[in-house]
Amino acid sequence: KQEVTQIPAALSVPEGENLVLNCSFTDSAIYNLQWFRQDPGKGLTSLLLIQSSQREQTSGRLNASLDKSSGRSTLYIAASQPGDSATYLCAVRPIDRGSTLGRLYFGRGTQLTVWP
Amino acid sequence: GAVVSQHPSRVICKSGTSVKIECRSLDFQATTMFWYRQFPKQSLMLMATSNEGSKATYEQGVEKDKFLINHASLTLSTLTVTSAHPEDSSFYICSAKIAGITDTQYFGPGTRLTVL
Repeated sequence: KQEVTQIPAALSVPEGENLVLNCSFTDSAIYNLQWFRQDPGKGLTSLLLIQSSQREQTSGRLNASLDKSSGRSTLYIAASQPGDSATYLCAVRPIDRGSTLGRLYFGRGTQLTVWP
Repeated sequence: GAVVSQHPSRVICKSGTSVKIECRSLDFQATTMFWYRQFPKQSLMLMATSNEGSKATYEQGVEKDKFLINHASLTLSTLTVTSAHPEDSSFYICSAKIAGITDTQYFGPGTRLTVL
């Protein structure tokens, strides 16, 4: 069974710092990996999706990398801002089988606080 | 962009009552919807995969008679928590996949269930 681990569980930094959030997964047979943002009491917002054949994806100040063979992904946030404060979740989608096409396995998330 | 809504956003009920949560894809057809549960500071755990017109596939450890899922149309799936107890209090989130597009899931805003 796929297990997803995120480190650190929480992170508190001053505004302007560059950050790295880590995600590891136990089964490298994945279809893709996705990073989400979740604000308190809210649903999920997709940030970046990396296909298994890709090494990285970029969107604005965010850059996500994927090393499938070692079971790792990192989310890099440049020049952090207070508005980046949220919980960041990593999710992997295994290679699809049967009737659970597209299911995701989530990590517990990294709770990020960026203070002014 | 594709939007998924959930209703209600928050519900408080007495122990022993049943609660129905709706998940709707507002501007697209979703052949597959997923129901997740999230306890405080925990990851999202998949409860079941719901395919339109067929029985839901439940994850191991999830009681199908307690968590009734109906996916009667391409835009609506419902989760009914029957005879709810305080331990069922959680944040329930649904997601939906666009028919014919395998990569993208869109998440609803979640429903906070509190059972007294």
